[in-house]
Amino acid sequence: EIVLTQSPDFQSVTPKEKVTITCRASQSVGSSLHWYQQKPDQSPKLLIKFASQSISGVPSRFSGSGSGTDFTLTINGLEAEDAAMYYCHQSSSLLTFGGGTKVEIK
Amino acid sequence: QLQLQESGPGLVRPSETLSLTCTISGGSISNYYWSWIRQPAGKGLEWVGRISPSGIIIYNPSLKSRVTVSVDTSQNRFTLKLSSVTAADTAVYYCARQVSGTPFDSWGQGTLVTVSS
Repeated sequence: EIVLTQSPDFQSVTPKEKVTITCRASQSVGSSLHWYQQKPDQSPKLLIKFASQSISGVPSRFSGSGSGTDFTLTINGLEAEDAAMYYCHQSSSLLTFGGGTKVEIK
Repeated sequence: QLQLQESGPGLVRPSETLSLTCTISGGSISNYYWSWIRQPAGKGLEWVGRISPSGIIIYNPSLKSRVTVSVDTSQNRFTLKLSSVTAADTAVYYCARQVSGTPFDSWGQGTLVTVSS
């Protein structure tokens, strides 16, 4: 089973700041790494697919990068509505999720 | 518009079997991969199991001995059965869709299942 380790677990950020969340896989997943946003009492919402591919309707301030075992989700210019949990997910071998990163607005 | 709706008992007794159904509307169940994912309160997401268009089923190794996923294409729905439940199985259970190897692009709203006597 591929383990995904996210860091940090929690981040408190001022609006308009840049947010960086990392996801490290225990073995290579190629580019089969995806990012979701989950707000309280909502289902997860797909933000980025295949490490860096954008999703229609998702604001351009969200971007992803990486390949193999190390990946990054970046939010350029945090907005209040971005307060949420963020999860990475790999679809390379079986299916696993990272532990999540909570982003709070200062 | 595609919609996924989970349904089933909200309360299950310890040692009994949890049974949930995901009904798909606005689209066909065929040609896609369908998964169950759960989330205990305040915790992260855990993938439970998945059925493929050809009927191949894979499970989370940590739950494999207790999980059964099946599909009813005539009713456009698929089901989850989790046996011998304990309090640790209390969670919101989601159903979700993917194309093989891709992310989950559609999710149900989730249903809370509590295991308690």
